[in-house]
Amino acid sequence: AQSVTQLGSHVSVSEGALVLLRCNYSSSVPPYLFWYVQYPNQGLQLLLKYTSAATLVKGINGFEAEFKKSETSFHLTKPSAHMSDAAEYFCAVSGMNTGGFKTIFGAGTRLFVKA
Amino acid sequence: DADVTQTPRNRITKTGKRIMLECSQTKGHDRMYWYRQDPGLGLRLIYYSFDVKDINKGEISDGYSVSRQAQAKFSLSLESAIPNQTALYFCATSEPSGRGVDTQYFGPGTRLTVL
Repeated sequence: AQSVTQLGSHVSVSEGALVLLRCNYSSSVPPYLFWYVQYPNQGLQLLLKYTSAATLVKGINGFEAEFKKSETSFHLTKPSAHMSDAAEYFCAVSGMNTGGFKTIFGAGTRLFVKA
Repeated sequence: DADVTQTPRNRITKTGKRIMLECSQTKGHDRMYWYRQDPGLGLRLIYYSFDVKDINKGEISDGYSVSRQAQAKFSLSLESAIPNQTALYFCATSEPSGRGVDTQYFGPGTRLTVL
């Protein structure tokens, strides 16, 4: 079975500060992991994805995430927050298993950026 | 023009009514999905279709049905709407890239309220 846990439904940072959004996963098969971002009144769009090629994955808008198998984590970071980063962020795990195709999304973390 | 469009964008209806939400895409993708988003629960998969002749239930298909009229069109129906189906509904598409690593492309969402 696969599952995703995002720690913290809300995270608030100051502009220019480090952004850290936490995601832990559980998967019985090698996981394929994603981070999506949802801006207000829009659908989700892909930030980055891990497909087992490299453990440090770089995405759009300066975001990156590191796959740590020993910690079953895939935390999202950005060195310096910008006001435009304010959005909701979703971690997801995906793959084929005996039950068919599964994409499991976390509950989401809303990021607030203070001026 | 948007690659994935959803109609209507907002709908208010009454308990017991039949509702259809429509999704169209110009990306040429074979795979299409319907999700619902509820606060604090993230996105949950309702149905998915890997090609025109393929329809599969997701984790929360009860009370919903779908129709894949063409490669570009995938509609979601609520045969008899109930208040706990009030949610934000998203359509998504993807290209097969093997083993579940597809990037999904989301429409803007349909906000459905069932009174």
